[in-house]
Amino acid sequence: DIQMTQSPSSLSASVGDRVTITCRASQYSNSYVNWYLQKPGKAPKLLIYAASILHAGVPSRFSGSGSGTDFTLTISGLQPEDFGTYYCQQSYSIPRTFGQGTKLDIK
Amino acid sequence: QVQLQESGPGLVKPSETLSLTCSVSGGSVTGYYWNWIRQPAGKRLEWIGRIYSSGRTIYNPSLESRVTMSVDTSKNQFSLKLTSVTAADTAMYYCARIGNDHYDDFDFWGQGTLVTVSS
Repeated sequence: DIQMTQSPSSLSASVGDRVTITCRASQYSNSYVNWYLQKPGKAPKLLIYAASILHAGVPSRFSGSGSGTDFTLTISGLQPEDFGTYYCQQSYSIPRTFGQGTKLDIK
Repeated sequence: QVQLQESGPGLVKPSETLSLTCSVSGGSVTGYYWNWIRQPAGKRLEWIGRIYSSGRTIYNPSLESRVTMSVDTSKNQFSLKLTSVTAADTAMYYCARIGNDHYDDFDFWGQGTLVTVSS
């Protein structure tokens, strides 16, 4: 199985900040990485697929990059509604696997 | 807008079979891949497997011996059966659709249903 490791596991940031979350795959994953945001008690929501393609309706302050084993999610200009837990997920091989999550609190 | 809704018992006894159904509205199950994903409290998401509208399945090898998925296109729904459950199977269970076949992103999710395994 491909293990997905995110860093940091948690962070606090202020409205307007630029936030970066990284995800490292234990094996080559090409560009087959997706990012989700999960709010407490809710299902995850897709933000980015194929490492860098913004899902429909997702604000342009979200962006993704990376290929191979290292991937990044960036939020440029943090908004209050961006709090929650972010997950990366690889779709390069079976079984699909997720990172452990990065919990983002708004200061 | 596609909507998914999980249904099934919230409490299952150890060694018994967990059965869940996901009803799809606002779109058709035909032509898409449909997934089951679970999340134990405070833990990461775990992909259980997927089924295409034709009935073709792929399961997580760690669960494959206990999992069966099926699809009913006439009812626009798909189902999960997990046999011989233990406390380790206690989790929030989500159904989700794959939006892009090439990149396997989960673009629509159900709200989730909590399943507790306990006697």
